[in-house]
Amino acid sequence: DPKIIQKPKYLVAVTGSEKILICEQYLGHNAMYWYRQSAKKPLEFMFSYSYQKLMDNQTASSRFQPQSSKKNHLDLQITALKPDDSATYFCASSQTGGQNTLYFGAGTRLSVL
Amino acid sequence: GQQVQQSPASLVLQEGENAELQCNFSSTATQLQWFYQSPGGSLVSLLSNPSGTKHTGRLTSTTVTKERRSSLHISSSQTTDSGTYLCALNYGSSGNKLIFGIGTLLSVKP
Repeated sequence: DPKIIQKPKYLVAVTGSEKILICEQYLGHNAMYWYRQSAKKPLEFMFSYSYQKLMDNQTASSRFQPQSSKKNHLDLQITALKPDDSATYFCASSQTGGQNTLYFGAGTRLSVL
Repeated sequence: GQQVQQSPASLVLQEGENAELQCNFSSTATQLQWFYQSPGGSLVSLLSNPSGTKHTGRLTSTTVTKERRSSLHISSSQTTDSGTYLCALNYGSSGNKLIFGIGTLLSVKP
């Protein structure tokens, strides 16, 4: 059974709309992350959270807003979607207190038309 | 900013052959990890090797920090090894802020 659940697996959106990508982890980790993989580009770090608090934000645009309603949840809200936002978004988690093994979810593939 | 370059971009092997994948990075980091990304897209951590040599199963990673390079050797390749191998450096002071390379696409033929 997958320990990091991302929903939905595929998402199609129109330009200008808003979507929420869901992530729940059942590994008992306190650190959660979002990474993005666009076509023909490396995986790119977006955000890190520790104990539900934002630790690092490498996303220039405020259109991307993580939301942590519970300690094992880190959703990603994206507003005013653009075609350039099309990518696979990966949620990940790890233990805190150092650079521990990172576990990834299966990703949400977002297409913006 | 930090850069991670991987070579070759792609590699085709016959089953049973060995693979050597390279990773070069622009500045040293506290941790270097190798990941496997399946054709379906999911990612799995293979090895963490900031320096020296590490083995796990058929995988051997050698990192020479002062030369800013790491290699991943896959011995006796199998068709199930097909996928993309990613090198990532951790520049976070705590936690996992990884900078990834674009990967090496490995295809192992039966």
